[in-house]
Amino acid sequence: GAVVSQHPSWVICKSGTSVKIECRSLDFQATTMFWYRQFPKQSLMLMATSNEGSKATYEQGVEKDKFLINHASLTLSTLTVTSAHPEDSSFYICSASGQGGTTQYFGPGTRLLVL
Amino acid sequence: DAKTTQPNSMESNEEEPVHLPCNHSTISGTDYIHWYRQLPSQGPEYVIHGLTSNVNNRMASLAIAEDRKSSTLILHRATLRDAAVYYCILRSIGGSNYKLTFGKGTLLTVNP
Repeated sequence: GAVVSQHPSWVICKSGTSVKIECRSLDFQATTMFWYRQFPKQSLMLMATSNEGSKATYEQGVEKDKFLINHASLTLSTLTVTSAHPEDSSFYICSASGQGGTTQYFGPGTRLLVL
Repeated sequence: DAKTTQPNSMESNEEEPVHLPCNHSTISGTDYIHWYRQLPSQGPEYVIHGLTSNVNNRMASLAIAEDRKSSTLILHRATLRDAAVYYCILRSIGGSNYKLTFGKGTLLTVNP
């Protein structure tokens, strides 16, 4: 149980385009979802936290207009990187936890390369 | 969140036990100790968590010091598939969300 999927697993796009990444909880209802970013040889950095039906809470230094997060249902959250640039190239990972959950379950990650 | 300190790297031999230490001297009474691991090019995987008592599950054991200022993740028989970065994270039970703050973790190398 507690499986989280992400789609796509990798994406290459041109600079200036927008990219949408989906995060789904397959066998539980995720009241809270988290989005992280990880650069090579670095640790995970939390970007934002989203609760179903509410606006996301962004960490300091993360541009909310550039990284649009939607958590419209209890099983789906999306992260849209708008007007992507090469410096946005990274490994994006989502996680999810259920109501009152003490554990976060992570997706497999999405590798984004912006040319 | 309170900070944790872990060795940058450790090495083990296959089928031998591994003890991964974590110091958290500023832990508060409401902080759970969580362990996650991340295999190369994958998302993190939950390993185990505890509050005060030692914990066991199918993956590992967690030994928590009596004063809670340190803990040790124990892999009873390391396999090559256990090679990963192991993160020790404190998470408070207070608040409306369960944010995790990842440090640098310990890179575990398992030798055949």
